[in-house]
Amino acid sequence: AQKVTQAQTEISVVEKEDVTLDCVYETRDTTYYLFWYKQPPSGELVFLIRRNSFDEQNEISGRYSWNFQKSTSSFNFTITASQVVDSAVYFCALSEPLGGSEKLVFGKGTKLTVNP
Amino acid sequence: GAVVSQHPSWVICKSGTSVKIECRSLDFQATTMFWYRQFPKQSLMLMATSNEGSKATYEQGVEKDKFLINHASLTLSTLTVTSAHPEDSSFYICSAIRWGSRGEQFFGPGTRLTVL
Repeated sequence: AQKVTQAQTEISVVEKEDVTLDCVYETRDTTYYLFWYKQPPSGELVFLIRRNSFDEQNEISGRYSWNFQKSTSSFNFTITASQVVDSAVYFCALSEPLGGSEKLVFGKGTKLTVNP
Repeated sequence: GAVVSQHPSWVICKSGTSVKIECRSLDFQATTMFWYRQFPKQSLMLMATSNEGSKATYEQGVEKDKFLINHASLTLSTLTVTSAHPEDSSFYICSAIRWGSRGEQFFGPGTRLTVL
């Protein structure tokens, strides 16, 4: 069975600090996708990134960066120079191939609070 | 592109009544839609997978007679919570996969259901 573990339930930082959100996954599939979503207090999920299992290159998008390591089954997310607007719950997710569609398994989420 | 809407955004109902939630893909055809439930401070849990023109596939532990799903067209799926009870109060989120998008899910803004 597929599983996503986000060990950090809550993180609190001061603005401008860097913060890393951990994500460890389990799967027997060789082909899969990993995701990060942001859920602000409004509740609407915001897509951040989608990475397939064959692409281990790290990715940077502005203040966001992702470190994918298959050897440790981890897909960690770093926010550089955090801002108050980054405060949200962040979910890591793993796709479960389903006849060509993707059934997502979510981690429990990490609540990030960025204080001014 | 790839916008998913949900209606209503919130609903309050009395125990024993039925509530219908609509999920629409506004600018694309969705071959598959998913329904998730999220309790306060918890993760998203997949309830069912809905394919246009066929019966929904429910996850283990989800009562299909209580949560009726109808995917009547390529742009609309509905979730009806029948004989709702206070324990059904939750945040219901749908997602849709755009035909030809390699399975990427686009999420709706969610519907908050409160059963009194």
